[in-house]
Amino acid sequence: GENVEQHPSTLSVQEGDSAVIKCTYSDSASNYFPWYKQELGKRPQLIIDIRSNVGEKKDQRIAVTLNKTAKHFSLHITETQPEDSAVYFCAASKTNTGNQFYFGTGTSLTVIP
Amino acid sequence: EPEVTQTPSHQVTQMGQEVILRCVPISNHLYFYWYRQILGQKVEFLVSFYNNEISEKSEIFDDQFSVERPDGSNFTLKIRSTKLEDSAMYFCASSEWWAPSGAFFGQGTRLTVV
Repeated sequence: GENVEQHPSTLSVQEGDSAVIKCTYSDSASNYFPWYKQELGKRPQLIIDIRSNVGEKKDQRIAVTLNKTAKHFSLHITETQPEDSAVYFCAASKTNTGNQFYFGTGTSLTVIP
Repeated sequence: EPEVTQTPSHQVTQMGQEVILRCVPISNHLYFYWYRQILGQKVEFLVSFYNNEISEKSEIFDDQFSVERPDGSNFTLKIRSTKLEDSAMYFCASSEWWAPSGAFFGQGTRLTVV
């Protein structure tokens, strides 16, 4: 099965700085990579995603890059704000009837005001 | 905005008892999932359900677990004989008719087995 690794496990940045979270996956058939933000005690929420036919996608302060050859993808948050503090999970899935998601181990991001 | 809803929000049960966790997926979604998250750990896949049958399941989803879509709106997870290690947050999720697409999560049911 798919194995998704995520680094770092914790990340602290000053407000206004950028944050980068990296994930690797093992199954070259994976073709869809969503990112989820989970605030304490709340549900994971989809914040951005990327498909394998795209190398980069941006949505305001959030961007995701994908390197299919190296089997890694990254989340970039620019101009971080205190409300960005949360646990971020990457995930990988492949198109099939199950479309199940394999999650990374999470990165706890703290933005220091 | 459409949401996945789960009931109850918190369930306490005695070891060995059966529990049923309930979910109402987003109405135009056709893929349904159950995930669990032990406190402080990552989200773990349990099972996916499509076209009224299980499409994939993980090694966690053993014979003690079952899922059902009893009608056009509900999606349930049953644990037949709960164990202490079943204590976790259980998330239901659904995604749209086309794949791949992101899964939208419910608010979770916190299951505590005592």
